[in-house]
Amino acid sequence: DGGITQSPKYLFRKEGQNVTLSCEQNLNHDAMYWYRQDPGQGLRLIYYSQIVNDFQKGDIAEGYSVSREKKESFPLTVTSAQKNPTAFYLCASSQGPSQPQHFGDGTRLSIL
Amino acid sequence: DAKTTQPPSMDCAEGRAANLPCNHSTISGNEYVYWYRQIHSQGPQYIIHGLKNNETNEMASLIITEDRKSSTLILPHATLRDTAVYYCIVRANTDKLIFGTGTRLQVFP
Repeated sequence: DGGITQSPKYLFRKEGQNVTLSCEQNLNHDAMYWYRQDPGQGLRLIYYSQIVNDFQKGDIAEGYSVSREKKESFPLTVTSAQKNPTAFYLCASSQGPSQPQHFGDGTRLSIL
Repeated sequence: DAKTTQPPSMDCAEGRAANLPCNHSTISGNEYVYWYRQIHSQGPQYIIHGLKNNETNEMASLIITEDRKSSTLILPHATLRDTAVYYCIVRANTDKLIFGTGTRLQVFP
């Protein structure tokens, strides 16, 4: 089935460690996105990429980094500079910036 | 900031129509109205979107007022699996999605 796969579903990190969240899509979509969701809140955009080898900062990019070396993959690294990384992270993709976004099932990151 | 206003919560009996309102009084001429829903601990699911005309698909109907300042998402026969948070978003074609806090719809037996 076509879709967006995020892994792992749950992730624990020690303070001071970097951690990378995986997002893979087999929908042949050009655009990919990373959002963060805190309890009881809406989604906030971290980074987005409209094409391979290009990406832009969203509203809350500090403490995060991304790469887009392949069309189907858009990994997100949560660095030690992110002071409050505990959250639900969601990846999405769309055929283009004007098309509806389709989401994965998320990764829940917690600090030990 | 979200450009839409939605009630924080609503209830609906199973089998009845669920009508979820959304106000977007500052909507611009090139902005679409999008609806997503999020079931607990899952990613948001795209439902429907429209510009001016009413739209219908296999999931729902979208009714947009003539002045485009408000809209209603209609789930014609709500089921328990429709219990979720529903987000109304206005967005120009190349803009990012801005999610507010949505409407928590509870469908009861």
